Order: sequence, then structure tokens, then C-alpha cells
Amino acid sequence: GQQLNQSPQSMFIQEGEDVSMNCTSSSIFNTWLWYKQEPGEGPVLLIALYKAGELTSNGRLTAQFGITRKDSFLNISASIPSDVGIYFCAEYSGNTPLVFGKGTRLSVIA
Amino acid sequence: DVKVTQSSRYLVKRTGEKVFLECVQDMDHENMFWYRQDPGLGLRLIYFSYDVKMKEKGDIPEGYSVSREKKERFSLILESASTNQTSMYLCASRTDRTGNTIYFGEGSWLTVV
Repeated sequence: GQQLNQSPQSMFIQEGEDVSMNCTSSSIFNTWLWYKQEPGEGPVLLIALYKAGELTSNGRLTAQFGITRKDSFLNISASIPSDVGIYFCAEYSGNTPLVFGKGTRLSVIA
Repeated sequence: DVKVTQSSRYLVKRTGEKVFLECVQDMDHENMFWYRQDPGLGLRLIYFSYDVKMKEKGDIPEGYSVSREKKERFSLILESASTNQTSMYLCASRTDRTGNTIYFGEGSWLTVV
């Protein structure tokens, strides 16, 4: 199936630092989604992006849909311990199932 | 709020057993999905269903089957469980094929011994 390249695979950061992660695809999609999965839980939607160049914020989180429609990034500002988890990007186009990246595991050191 | 409920959070089964993982959603969604999640591999699609009694193979259907007799319920079946099926299984639903977001259940941790 379609592959998404998500990086970095894992991050260890100090509380208060900013975080950046990204996803790239070999194909063009219509929608980028960012999910967070906390330990022992299912993924929860953070941000949805629907058009190229779109920049959307959700509290301390900001995500952008790349102009080429083949990439997206997620930034977290001033990280806190509850930001710990796995962050997944996902793509969607038309009536296909979502394709997910392999995730970025974020650890925050207080 | 959308609610996707997976009936079993933690299961331990023996090799060769038949295993049923049940998933129910309460928002009248047409589409339902089963993923498995393994460290370093992300979320991989096993099977999905766009409507009642419909099913389609995902990326890793081998060793699994599904049942969608009612719109709200999507079951994942392991006909003969094997140790390499030890994993976290996630059920999800979406309004329909045009829906842009997918909602997940809390996951079912299956250990096959």
C-alpha cells in the first residue's frame, strides 16, 4: 500500500522546548490529518488540513499542508509533560481508507 | 461525540484458538476499519467495510476475516490465532467515503501464547 515517510521516529526533549515533526508522501492527497495516541489509548484527531498551504492551529499545536500537497508538518510549542505520546500523520484522498505514517514517539523530560 | 467501543481491552489466547474482536460505533457511520499497531510499523490496515455486509481487504488481511452483519458492528476474526498476531488492534469508523476524519476505539491488546 501507499507509504508515508514520517520523521523523526522518536524525540526526547526538555519541557518547554518546541517540537517539529513532518511527513512526506510520494503521491498527492487531498487531506492531511494529525493524530495523537497516548499510552494505552486509541489515536485522537488533533488537526485536519484540507488544502495546500493551509496553516491551522490548535492551542500550542500548529500544522501546515505543504504547497506541493506531498508533505505536512506539525509543530508543538513550549512542550509540557502531557504532550508525551505517539503522533501520527495520515493522508486521505477521495474514497480511499486513510494511510498512516509510522509515528513519532515524543518523550518530554521535566 | 462519536463513540467507538471495542469490547475487549486485553485478551490472552492460545495458539490455534479462534478469536473474535468486537467493535461497535454509535454514530450511524457507514465505514468501519480494523488496523493493527506494532512498534516501528505504525498502523496497518487489515480489513475495512464501506457498508453492511460489505468487506474489502486492506494491506495485511492474511490470517484474518471480518463480519459486518449490522451497520454499527464490525467484528475481526482470527480463525486460528498465531503468536505473530500478538498486537494492538484498533477499530475505527468514518461517516462515509467522503468523510475526512476517522474515529478510533481505545484498542484491544491481544497476546497469543
